[in-house]
Amino acid sequence: EDQVTQSPEALRLQEGESSSLNCSYTVSGLRGLFWYRQDPGKGPEFLFTLYSAGEEKEKERLKATLTKKESFLHITAPKPEDSATYLCAVLAWGGATNKLIFGTGTLLAVQP
Amino acid sequence: DADVTQTPRNRITKTGKRIMLECSQTKGHDRMYWYRQDPGLGLQLIYYSFDVKDINKGEISDGYSVSRQAQAKFSLSLESAIPNQTALYFCATSDTSGRHNEQFFGPGTRLTVL
Repeated sequence: EDQVTQSPEALRLQEGESSSLNCSYTVSGLRGLFWYRQDPGKGPEFLFTLYSAGEEKEKERLKATLTKKESFLHITAPKPEDSATYLCAVLAWGGATNKLIFGTGTLLAVQP
Repeated sequence: DADVTQTPRNRITKTGKRIMLECSQTKGHDRMYWYRQDPGLGLQLIYYSFDVKDINKGEISDGYSVSRQAQAKFSLSLESAIPNQTALYFCATSDTSGRHNEQFFGPGTRLTVL
């Protein structure tokens, strides 16, 4: 069964304290792995798509990496405005297309 | 203006009432989706539509129905609302062209069933 697990469930950082969020996945064949940011009461906001192991994408203080079993979202020198829930989702080969499997997210709090 | 809009943004209703949530998009995407989100759970797919004539059930379609009125409009109905349908509902869109498969989400509708 296709599955996505995110860890930790919650993470509290001090401003400037770098860290990483993990997304482990089990799928029959990976078509793509997606990272989203979600602010309270709002819809998920697309951040990155990764397609193959070894691929990396960067945006400001965020950097996403991908291996054959997991993805990391590295946050460098975070600021309070980076506080949000970060969601990971995978798209698998086989069955209907474009059906994303979401993890439950990591709630990140960055304190000034 | 937002690319994906949802109405209403908040709704409180009573058990047994029929409710319709509406989604419109200006992104020109052919695929549209309805999800629900509950605290501590991942987004769960209710229904999806790959074009106007194509409607498919997702993981949790019981108690829900949908209508794709046009390429840009996709509505979700709760025929007889029950309290455990209290949740945050999101509409999303995606495009079949090229390699990209990312989905773009609306702002959500917070539904409370009393």
